[in-house]
Amino acid sequence: AQSVTQLGSHVSVSEGALVLLRCNYSSSVPPYLFWYVQYPNQGLQLLLKYTSAATLVKGINGFEAEFKKSETSFHLTKPSAHMSDAAEYFCAVSEGNTDKLIFGTGTRLQVFP
Amino acid sequence: NAGVMQNPRHLVRRRGQEARLRCSPMKGHSHVYWYRQLPEEGLKFMVYLQKENIIDESGMPKERFSAEFPKEGPSILRIQQVVRGDSAAYFCASTRETGGSYGYTFGSGTRLTVV
Repeated sequence: AQSVTQLGSHVSVSEGALVLLRCNYSSSVPPYLFWYVQYPNQGLQLLLKYTSAATLVKGINGFEAEFKKSETSFHLTKPSAHMSDAAEYFCAVSEGNTDKLIFGTGTRLQVFP
Repeated sequence: NAGVMQNPRHLVRRRGQEARLRCSPMKGHSHVYWYRQLPEEGLKFMVYLQKENIIDESGMPKERFSAEFPKEGPSILRIQQVVRGDSAAYFCASTRETGGSYGYTFGSGTRLTVV
């Protein structure tokens, strides 16, 4: 069965610093992987997704993620943090060929001026 | 083009009452998913519906919870005889197609508080 582990429930960075949010997955089949962002009291917004095309995936708001099969990882990065990036970020894997998503427990990103 | 619409945004119920949560998918989307988010946790799958059909309810508690997606109107998640442990954010999502790779469009959620 698929699973997702997000290392670090809280990450703090200074404005302008590199953002790195970690996600490792477990899947017995080629996975589809997703990153979502959730702002306070809002729903989840899709940042980017990996669907077995290019291993480096670019998303919205300057975020990107790299699929590394050998490390079973799909870490999310952004070269320069902005105050507006402060939110909760969820990594998810699609279960088999269905659209049922298995979510990680989330990482709350704080950005300091 | 309205997104996924959920109402109400906030719902307060006393223990033992019924909670009805509504979800209207995006136009053209016929697949609806419900997820529950407990405090400090990620989202957990509850149920997947198409029009008039429950496709996968493997994440639904066995008692008190039910879901429907009628031919006309929104999808409804119904919780009977609510208890404090039902307090959570309930999110609805929709997709146009299935197959694992499309990703969802989520609604803004209904935050249920049981007092």
